[in-house]
Amino acid sequence: DTGVSQDPRHKITKRGQNVTFRCDPISEHNRLYWYRQTLGQGPEFLTYFQNEAQLEKSRLLSDRFSAERPKGSFSTLEIQRTEQGDSAMYLCASSLAGAETQYFGPGTRLLVL
Amino acid sequence: QKEVEQNSGPLSVPEGAIASLNCTYSDRGSQSFFWYRQYSGKSPELIMSIYSNGDKEDGRFTAQLNKASQYVSLLIRDSQPSDSATYLCAVLADGLTFGKGTHLIIQP
Repeated sequence: DTGVSQDPRHKITKRGQNVTFRCDPISEHNRLYWYRQTLGQGPEFLTYFQNEAQLEKSRLLSDRFSAERPKGSFSTLEIQRTEQGDSAMYLCASSLAGAETQYFGPGTRLLVL
Repeated sequence: QKEVEQNSGPLSVPEGAIASLNCTYSDRGSQSFFWYRQYSGKSPELIMSIYSNGDKEDGRFTAQLNKASQYVSLLIRDSQPSDSATYLCAVLADGLTFGKGTHLIIQP
């Protein structure tokens, strides 16, 4: 257990529904990252926050995806109008700014039917 | 497009032998490199980080970095069946750029 928690751990939804995932980083970590991993691939970077500011978004992150970190602590990732291609493991990681090592949470596994 | 390349394997190694995992990266300006281990259905777990050319040892693990050749490797000595997993090489940009991972199997 790295100290990064994610909720829910599993989510099954129907195509077209909206889903929201939560990540709680290690308490003193001010950077928070979201990744997506599909079967047989390494994790793909989606976006990251330093405190409450979203500093970078990947081109992979379509307009249906939005992430927030309103108080610089936990973060949410919302997917609107889910598609079957959104089925993946969504991973959250955290780190201290200036310390480059990222620690991953257990992930949220999404299945879109 | 920054890329990280790994042989997907599977790489099969007898118990007690040395497992050698390799990775190349495309961005010559990269400075920070990481090896993660991932068991099936679980999230990545950090094994080692390396930032300078040469070797870095931690227990049974040794990471090697050659920036001129844009090459990173991980050696696992005295391989154990519990080392059987997918090993992910990652390079730091804004977030981490990962390779696809090498599936390692340690044969008892």
